Amino acid sequence: SQQGEEDPQALSIQEGENATMNCSYKTSINNLQWYRQNSGRGLVHLILIRSNEREKHSGRLRVTLDTSKKSSSLLITASRAADTASYFCAPPANQAGTALIFGKGTTLSVSS
Amino acid sequence: GAGVSQSPSNKVTEKGKDVELRCDPISGHTALYWYRQSLGQGLEFLIYFQGNSAPDKSGLPSDRFSAERTGGSVSTLTIQRTQQEDSAVYLCASSLEGAGANVLTFGAGSRLTVL
Repeated sequence: SQQGEEDPQALSIQEGENATMNCSYKTSINNLQWYRQNSGRGLVHLILIRSNEREKHSGRLRVTLDTSKKSSSLLITASRAADTASYFCAPPANQAGTALIFGKGTTLSVSS
Repeated sequence: GAGVSQSPSNKVTEKGKDVELRCDPISGHTALYWYRQSLGQGLEFLIYFQGNSAPDKSGLPSDRFSAERTGGSVSTLTIQRTQQEDSAVYLCASSLEGAGANVLTFGAGSRLTVL
């Protein structure tokens, strides 16, 4: 199954700054998801972007998708301490009926 | 139920004992996943159930690990003869397959500590 690779592995910023995380994948996709995880608990779905969309917004989140480069980015604007978490991208499995595989994620620390 | 429920939330066991972890998915979700996450690591895929199809067991790390899903709903992950390296958070997720994109809903996890 396909796995996304997030970059950077860790990111530390100050409150109010923007945070950008990147994701690369290997094979063609029809959608890509981003998830967030707080402190080793369950992941929470943030946003799904389809292959015919280049950009999608949800509150302070902005996700872009460049299918020609097989990459996606997650931008969090005006970050808050509560945004401190790990963020994972998940391209769909490259075979029907197989599981989503997650990478190691980007650990974001926002200090006040 | 309203969400994915996992039990126990915490389990401490002695090396060599067997443990069972339970996952109750969202009603109507046909797909169920087990992952584990060791401290500071990413998610490791373990096993995936989809409807009546044979489960994808390709992620199970050894034959000490097994899982079943009864009646297409509740799933139990069993670890036999636990080892210290089995210590991790075990995460269950479910999704509504066939919707074009399988958005996963995760449980809060079961934290296993093997002494």
